[in-house]
Amino acid sequence: QVQLVESGGGLVKPGGSLRLSCAASGFTFSDYYMSWIRQAPGKGLEWVSYISSSGSTIYYADSVKGRFTISRDNAKNSLYLQMNSLRAEDTAVYYCARVGATEAFDYWGQGTLVTVSS
Amino acid sequence: EIVLTQSPGTLSLSPGERATLSCRASQSVSSSYLAWYQQKPGQAPRLLIYGASSRATGIPDRFSGSGSGTDFTLTISRLEPEDFAVYYCQQYGSSRYTFGQGTKLEIK
Repeated sequence: QVQLVESGGGLVKPGGSLRLSCAASGFTFSDYYMSWIRQAPGKGLEWVSYISSSGSTIYYADSVKGRFTISRDNAKNSLYLQMNSLRAEDTAVYYCARVGATEAFDYWGQGTLVTVSS
Repeated sequence: EIVLTQSPGTLSLSPGERATLSCRASQSVSSSYLAWYQQKPGQAPRLLIYGASSRATGIPDRFSGSGSGTDFTLTISRLEPEDFAVYYCQQYGSSRYTFGQGTKLEIK
């Protein structure tokens, strides 16, 4: 069965950096586009970034553009999110999700919490 | 950027009743790219409906989606106790994904 497992979250000071990972299994990872989506405590869902199956096409939300970098390693079935210049407003649970055929997120990981605080 | 507005913010109903949730877009959305999710406390969202009206794998047929253009609806025909949760709509367009702010479906 499809599994997505995020890791790398934690407490970081404003201005700091963190790298999230998402390990995928149960499907052919290299065939699928992937995304990161976040949810601030008690708030709704916010799309963060998207990467095509080969990694050649990448999109970012305006709120993270220039600070976050999405990447993938198809040989390792892994998705990454490098987060730099972190701000308090980046505090959230970060989910990795598989992008299905109609641009819906058909499978989600359990999420990893990132807390930006001094 | 397309803004999705969901209504009502909170819907209070009893098990067995019918639920109708609305999602309105600030500009026309391709029906192919409109989805609905269910999220329970402490859990990741789960895809319910994609392409505005197609049920995702394993989703019971009491869930249905409809609509086009700027107005979309998620209907739950007869509420089961496990259906009380927060529901989000989501769209894709112009290299962006956006979510509505959510509708909380609570037990009356």
